[in-house]
Amino acid sequence: DQQVKQNSPSLSVQEGRISILNCDYTNSMFDYFLWYKKYPAEGPTFLISISSIKDKNEDGRFTVFLNKSAKHLSLHIVPSQPGDSAVYFCAASGGNQFYFGTGTSLTVIP
Amino acid sequence: GAVVSQHPSWVICKSGTSVKIECRSLDFQATTMFWYRQFPKQSLMLMATSNEGSKATYEQGVEKDKFLINHASLTLSTLTVTSAHPEDSSFYICSAGLAGINNEQFFGPGTRLTVL
Repeated sequence: DQQVKQNSPSLSVQEGRISILNCDYTNSMFDYFLWYKKYPAEGPTFLISISSIKDKNEDGRFTVFLNKSAKHLSLHIVPSQPGDSAVYFCAASGGNQFYFGTGTSLTVIP
Repeated sequence: GAVVSQHPSWVICKSGTSVKIECRSLDFQATTMFWYRQFPKQSLMLMATSNEGSKATYEQGVEKDKFLINHASLTLSTLTVTSAHPEDSSFYICSAGLAGINNEQFFGPGTRLTVL
C-alpha cells in the first residue's frame, strides 16, 4: 500500500509561471518531508525539506507547504524555468523508514 | 502500484562486521535496481546500479569491495556492507523501475544502518 502518493504523473507549465507539485501521505506519524529532483540517469537531488512542526519552508524559488490535517504537501516553483524540467519525488520519513512517491514529471515550456 | 521492500529496516552492528541488506520488488520484475545512500538533509547519493545476472555498475568513489552488490534474481538485489565502520552509518535506499516506463522509480523504505 502506497503511503506516499503523487497522483499526477506529469505536469506542463509555461516558463515564468508557477509550478505546483502535489503529494499526499497516509501516515500521521511522519515527521519529516522532503522533495527531490531527478534528471535521467542521475540520482535524485535533494531540493527542500520541511519538518512536521512547520507549515511552510521557503528556499529561493522553491517553497514547500505542509497541511497536516489534510496529510498533504506541495512544492511551488516560482518562476518556473526550463532547467526545472525533471522528475520530482516527494518523500516522508518517520522513525527508521523513508517512503517515496512515484514521481511527477515536470516539463517547463520555454 | 508496484512495491519495493527492504529488509531489515534497521540494523545495529559492531565495527568490523558485515551487514547484508535485501531489496525486493514484490509484484514486478526488475532487471535493474539502484542503491542509494542518504545523509541527513542531503541528496540521495547513487552508489551503484544493480543488474540482474551481471556485475553491478558502481559510481565513482564507491568502493566495490566495500559495498558488495548481488542481483540474484529479477526480484532481489542485495547490498552487503563489508567490515562496517561507524562512518558507514547511514540510510541505504534501493529503487527499481518498471521496464519501458521512463523515469518511474519505486523506492524501498530504506534501511538505517548504525555501526557502533
